[in-house]
Amino acid sequence: KNEVEQSPQNLTAQEGEFITINCSYSVGISALHWLQQHPGGGIVSLFMLSSGKKKHGRLIATINIQEKHSSLHITASHPRDSAVYICAAKGSARQLTFGSGTQLTVLP
Amino acid sequence: EAGVTQSPTHLIKTRGQQVTLRCSPISGHTSVYWYQQALGLGLQFLLWYDEGEERNRGNFPPRFSGRQFPNYSSELNVNALELEDSALYLCASSLGGAYNSPLHFGNGTRLTVT
Repeated sequence: KNEVEQSPQNLTAQEGEFITINCSYSVGISALHWLQQHPGGGIVSLFMLSSGKKKHGRLIATINIQEKHSSLHITASHPRDSAVYICAAKGSARQLTFGSGTQLTVLP
Repeated sequence: EAGVTQSPTHLIKTRGQQVTLRCSPISGHTSVYWYQQALGLGLQFLLWYDEGEERNRGNFPPRFSGRQFPNYSSELNVNALELEDSALYLCASSLGGAYNSPLHFGNGTRLTVT
């Protein structure tokens, strides 16, 4: 069993839809990262959170430490949001354990 | 502000050869991290360097090694290349002293071993 589980693996949405990607982890963490990876490999760090909720534009990330669960929400999705979204749990000595990623495709 | 830069962008090597990948962190960042993204395996943590020293390494064999220079740039060396070393190698940097400093990623080096 992976220490970080993401769901769904693949997600196709229509432009404008509200999107939720889930991440559950079994390890103790100091923080959880949400990353966005575009075709070609470049990765952008979207959020790093250790409690509560963060918002940046149309993106919202939440984390529940007790339940060991985090969600990434995208409001009013757009085709340019199409990418792979990866959650990563930060454990001891700054080691990141990554989820397997969610491939999001937003159709116009 | 220049981002994290990695070189080369692409590389083709033959099994058994050695390869060196390079990473320049964002100015002011002292921590450099290396990750491997092999096809079908997802991202895996390789190495963490801070202030010139290796601070942590992931579950990789000793033929994966590296170093960090006084200017905080870093090299990742892979000896005796195997076919399964074909992957995207990503470097990230962060402020060293701040435990939860955000990560900034480079665009990666795509290594193909034939």
